[in-house]
Amino acid sequence: AQTVTQSQPEMSVQEAETVTLSCTYDTSESDYYLFWYKQPPSRQMILVIRQEAYKQQNATENRFSVNFQKAAKSFSLKISDSQLGDAAMYFCAYSRGSNYKLTFGKGTLLTVNP
Amino acid sequence: GAVVSQHPSRVICKSGTSVKIECRSLDFQATTMFWYRQFPKQSLMLMATSNEGSKATYEQGVEKDKFLINHASLTLSTLTVTSAHPEDSSFYICSARDRGGYSYEQYFGPGTRLTVT
Repeated sequence: AQTVTQSQPEMSVQEAETVTLSCTYDTSESDYYLFWYKQPPSRQMILVIRQEAYKQQNATENRFSVNFQKAAKSFSLKISDSQLGDAAMYFCAYSRGSNYKLTFGKGTLLTVNP
Repeated sequence: GAVVSQHPSRVICKSGTSVKIECRSLDFQATTMFWYRQFPKQSLMLMATSNEGSKATYEQGVEKDKFLINHASLTLSTLTVTSAHPEDSSFYICSARDRGGYSYEQYFGPGTRLTVT
């Protein structure tokens, strides 16, 4: 079974600074998808960024970018120019298969200090 | 686009009663819908996967007779918690896969907070 590990239960960053959240996963497959989701206090899950494993280029969405290391099975999220609104729980997730079930990590609670 | 709604957003019921939660894809047809459970300060735990017109596939350890899932159409799935008990109190989240677009991507509903007294 696939597992997703987020080794940082909590992280903090100063407003306008950069922070990197770590994620590793375990799979024997070569074709899969990786995601970072944000869950603010409202508890609505919001997709931050997605990465297709067959793409070598790291995904980027505005201030959010990933460092996808397929051989190392690592998928970290970098948030640049952190804003107060970035404060949330961040979940790393893995997906593949006919139904594309998501397997989530335990999450990292990000605090942004003004 | 790609909006998923859930109803109700919160519900309180008495122990022993049943409660139904609806999940709707508002602007797309959902090939597959998923139901998750989330305890405070914890991650999402997948309960079951349902495809329209088919029986739901439950994850190991999830009681299918307690958590009844019906996926009657491409835009509606329901989760019924039968004979609810206080330990069933939790936050329930549904998600749906779009038939088009990034078919591997899931869109999440806002969740339903269930409290069993």
